[in-house]
Amino acid sequence: KQEVTQIPAALSVPEGENLVLNCSFTDSAIYNLQWFRQDPGKGLTSLLLIQSSQREQTSGRLNASLDKSSGRSTLYIAASQPGDSATYLCAVGGKTSYDKVIFGPGTSLSVIP
Amino acid sequence: NAGVMQNPRHLVRRRGQEARLRCSPMKGHSHVYWYRQLPEEGLKFMVYLQKENIIDESGMPKERFSAEFPKEGPSILRIQQVVRGDSAAYFCASSPGLAGGPFQYTGELFFGEGSRLTVL
Repeated sequence: KQEVTQIPAALSVPEGENLVLNCSFTDSAIYNLQWFRQDPGKGLTSLLLIQSSQREQTSGRLNASLDKSSGRSTLYIAASQPGDSATYLCAVGGKTSYDKVIFGPGTSLSVIP
Repeated sequence: NAGVMQNPRHLVRRRGQEARLRCSPMKGHSHVYWYRQLPEEGLKFMVYLQKENIIDESGMPKERFSAEFPKEGPSILRIQQVVRGDSAAYFCASSPGLAGGPFQYTGELFFGEGSRLTVL
């Protein structure tokens, strides 16, 4: 049974800092891994999608890496801004397109101006 | 191309009533997921549907909850005889499935804004 964890549960940093959010999963046979952002009271916004054959994806100040063998993914945020404050969730797809996607509990990020 | 549409956005029900939540996937998407999020908690998988077919319902409570995704129209999550513990945000996500062929499939999920159910 796939289990997904995220560390830390909460993080507070001053504006401008680079930071890393961690996601771990127990079953390395995954189809893909997706990072989302959720603002309070809102839905989820997709940030980056990494296919199982890929090592990393980049979008602007965001970089996500995937190491299937160790069951880990990291989301790197460069030069953090107050607007980055949100909860960040990673989601792991199963072995095939017909397997459910499992979410981690999220990391709540607060960027202090 | 509209995104995933969920309605109602907010729903208030008294204990024992029924709640129906609707999800219209993105155009061309044939797969729908439902997740539940309790306050200050993560998203818990409930059910994964393809048109006219339930792929995985292992996260659905055995009683009072049901889901469908008919050939025409939105996906419906139905909660009968609601209790206070059903109060939560219910999110729907869609993906294109294999419509574009297996080599086009990415498995990317697109989420709606959620339906927030309050049971009095």
